[in-house]
Amino acid sequence: DTEVTQTPKHLVMGMTNKKSLKCEQHMGHRAMYWYKQKAKKPPELMFVYSYEKLSINESVPSRFSPECPNSSLLNLHLHALQPEDSALYLCASSRGLAAYTGELFFGEGSRLTVL
Amino acid sequence: AQKITQTQPGMFVQEKEAVTLDCTYDTSDPSYGLFWYKQPSSGEMIFLIYQGSYDQQNATEGRYSLNFQKARKSANLVISASQLGDSAMYFCAMRVEGSQGNLIFGKGTKLSVKP
Repeated sequence: DTEVTQTPKHLVMGMTNKKSLKCEQHMGHRAMYWYKQKAKKPPELMFVYSYEKLSINESVPSRFSPECPNSSLLNLHLHALQPEDSALYLCASSRGLAAYTGELFFGEGSRLTVL
Repeated sequence: AQKITQTQPGMFVQEKEAVTLDCTYDTSDPSYGLFWYKQPSSGEMIFLIYQGSYDQQNATEGRYSLNFQKARKSANLVISASQLGDSAMYFCAMRVEGSQGNLIFGKGTKLSVKP
C-alpha cells in the first residue's frame, strides 16, 4: 500500500469548473511535491513545499493553485483548465529537500480529464 | 545543467533472465542522489533503489542492483531473474544538492517480460 494517498483517483471536469486534488501523507515528511505527467512522458515538477512554505513554482499557470494547509496535506486547486491540462497528477513527499534525504514517495496519482 | 539520459525506449527480456537498463547522468555538483523508479500501467511511481554520489559500494535491493560507474556518469539498473510483473516503465532520476529537492527524470525505458 502506498503511504501517500491521493484523491480522487479519476476526475473529469469542464473548462469552467473548479475542483481540487488532495494529497495526504503521515510519514512525518517535511517536503511535498506536485508533478504533472503526460502520456508516455516523464513526470514534470510543478510545485515544491518545504515546511508548509512554497519553495518552487516551476512557472505553472495561475489556473493551478497549490495549498499546503499543514505538514500532512497538500492540495491542488484547479480552475478554468484547458484540455491540454489533461494528465496524471502525481503527489510526492520526502524527508527533506537535500539529496541525501533519500527518495520521494509517490501517490498513485489523480488522472484528470478536461473536456 | 542537470540531465538524465535513458537511451533505450523499449526492452524485451525473457522471464527468469537478467536485464540491464541504461542510465547516464550529467551534473557538475559533487553531491547528488540517483534513483530508479518503476511505473506500472496503473500510474503509481514505485521506488526501487537509491545510490548516493559518495557511496563507495553499488546499491542492492533484492533482485535490483545499481551498477554505479562515477567516472562514466552511469547508473545502470540490473534486474535479475525477471518476472512477468516486472513489465512496466522504468525511470532513472537524480536529485542534486541545492536543487530544492527536485527529482529530474529521464525519458524512461519500457520493459516487457516475455513468458
